[in-house]
Amino acid sequence: RKEVEQDPGPFNVPEGATVAFNCTYSNSASQSFFWYRQDCRKEPKLLMSVYSSGNEDGRFTAQLNRASQYISLLIRDSKLSDSATYLCVVSGRQFYFGTGTSLTVIP
Amino acid sequence: SAVISQKPSRDICQRGTSLTIQCQVDSQVTMMFWYRQQPGQSLTLIATANQGSEATYESGFVIDKFPISRPNLTFSTLTVSNMSPEDSSIYLCSVENWGTSASDTQYFGPGTRLTVL
Repeated sequence: RKEVEQDPGPFNVPEGATVAFNCTYSNSASQSFFWYRQDCRKEPKLLMSVYSSGNEDGRFTAQLNRASQYISLLIRDSKLSDSATYLCVVSGRQFYFGTGTSLTVIP
Repeated sequence: SAVISQKPSRDICQRGTSLTIQCQVDSQVTMMFWYRQQPGQSLTLIATANQGSEATYESGFVIDKFPISRPNLTFSTLTVSNMSPEDSSIYLCSVENWGTSASDTQYFGPGTRLTVL
């Protein structure tokens, strides 16, 4: 079983839409959780850390459910510039990356 | 602000040759890592580059194929040895505990895009 599983998408949404990505992880002892963003032919960049209490950064909201071993990312009011691949990352002994969810925001 | 750079940014190599990739950080960092991202795949950790000692390799990766150096807290190299087309990939270095970043957060260099013919 993979350490981190994501729906690969692709998600194609119109500008202004709200879109949610989900991710599950297999190791209940995982310590830290993140969402990274990766643009085409670029390196992954940290979007936000994810906390059990939930955290929000502008249009982005991340949530962690430790009991269900589930992480989510909500993007409100999607912009064209949000088009990218979003990587779910779980930290334990090392960083484990999901395969990424592709998002395209359409004008 | 601190910068992570990698050289070369890309290369096309012949099978059987070796390529050394450099990663430079302009401030001292505790942890440096090397990853591979094959086409259409996510990132796979190759090894942790330890300053002053041998790197720690993940399952499926060996020192003879991917020798790593880390002579100080700002620099590391990864060599891809005796290359085959299956080694065509993006190689990324990452750092942890960089500047004021929270512990256990990793930041990535721009990557080296390697094509082996």
